[in-house]
Amino acid sequence: DTEVTQTPKHLVMGMTNKKSLKCEQHMGHRAMYWYKQKAKKPPELMFVYSYEKLSINESVPSRFSPECPNSSLLNLHLHALQPEDSALYLCASSQDRMTGRYTFGSGTRLTVV
Amino acid sequence: ILNVEQSPQSLHVQEGDSTNFTCSFPSSNFYALHWYRWETAKSPEALFVMTLNGDEKKKGRISATLNTKEGYSYLYIKGSQPEDSATYLCAFGSSNTGKLIFGQGTTLQVKP
Repeated sequence: DTEVTQTPKHLVMGMTNKKSLKCEQHMGHRAMYWYKQKAKKPPELMFVYSYEKLSINESVPSRFSPECPNSSLLNLHLHALQPEDSALYLCASSQDRMTGRYTFGSGTRLTVV
Repeated sequence: ILNVEQSPQSLHVQEGDSTNFTCSFPSSNFYALHWYRWETAKSPEALFVMTLNGDEKKKGRISATLNTKEGYSYLYIKGSQPEDSATYLCAFGSSNTGKLIFGQGTTLQVKP
């Protein structure tokens, strides 16, 4: 299995909702990442997990809460989001944090209404 | 703030044309330079990871070079085909932050 699977592909949520994004890989990669991408902008790093521990949080607001329950799974819990949080959320994994090729999921297109 | 700049922002070429684009990055604290191809409605796909000054990588008609001293990498596509149409992203790995920072991409359209 050489894929990163993200679910759901699309999500519409209200500002008072709680939802979760899910990311799964079975390549034995020990680093996993969440990126946020808005139209015509580069993907922006949000969180890095290394060996299931959070190693980088790019000062992301607490309404985004990451979780890595095991080495194959990465979740992003969403609560009380704002319309400006609407974006494509990409998950990626790699064997090594810097020199390993990243394998990306196809993303979750999130709309906050 | 680490700046990774890609140029041009977009490019339209005819099938069979060769093309190239640039990624500029900080020349200090270099660790790695990645190139990805991102087709519409698909996942970004890794093309190359380069770590040494002077590295040259090739995959079919696509090749890349790296100059870490002056902080740039070129991506070349020889004899562009319509299936090469995509956004090409570069990403700079910084040794002092441990982060991979992406440029905004070059969007290539190849007309048949």
